[in-house]
Amino acid sequence: SYDLTQPLSVSVALGQTARISCGGHNIGGKTVHWYQRVPGQAPLLVIYINTRRPSGIPDRFSGSTSGNTATLTISRAQAGDEADYYCQVWDGGNAVFGGGTKLTVL
Amino acid sequence: EVQLVQSGAEVKKPGESLRISCEGSGYSFTDYWIAWVRQMPGRGLEWMGNIYPTDSDTRYSPSFQGRVTISADKSTNTAFLQWSALEASDSAMYYCARRWEVSGSPPFDYWGRGTLITVSP
Repeated sequence: SYDLTQPLSVSVALGQTARISCGGHNIGGKTVHWYQRVPGQAPLLVIYINTRRPSGIPDRFSGSTSGNTATLTISRAQAGDEADYYCQVWDGGNAVFGGGTKLTVL
Repeated sequence: EVQLVQSGAEVKKPGESLRISCEGSGYSFTDYWIAWVRQMPGRGLEWMGNIYPTDSDTRYSPSFQGRVTISADKSTNTAFLQWSALEASDSAMYYCARRWEVSGSPPFDYWGRGTLITVSP
């Protein structure tokens, strides 16, 4: 099975840039999506097809992929960005999620 | 407005059966796959499987095949997740999500708020 590895936690100072990584074998050759999950709320798609933002997602959120790592970048971090973030790909007809990263905004 | 409304929290005993639901509105329910995703306490998201309501074509994750049943009723725009005999390890939050066929590897663009299942003697 295909594994996606994310750091358990990332901290960022208010107004600074957070980068959340998602590691997987040749993930650069896959299509990566990112979700934000605030406790008590439904998960929210924030990046799809590696770099695209759904309607309503601010341009502070961006995505990239290269080699064995995909990265979600959150610029000018705000308190409201504090949440769990998950990467996701498809592998052999199965959806695979990373373990999730808790983003703390200091 | 697209919405996926899930049924309420459940407390069950081991060995009991259960069916939870996910009602879609604000879009053509039969045009999109619906997935179920598990989140165990303190753990990440796990895809369980998905169903195409038009013809009930269903795909399961190998980890969940035989453990749960996914179904749909297109007349009521509702998808279901069912257990015949719950175990304590089934205690988790369960989300339904709409699969957006924007690419060959589609994202899940709308999610329900989740149904919390607690299985305890």
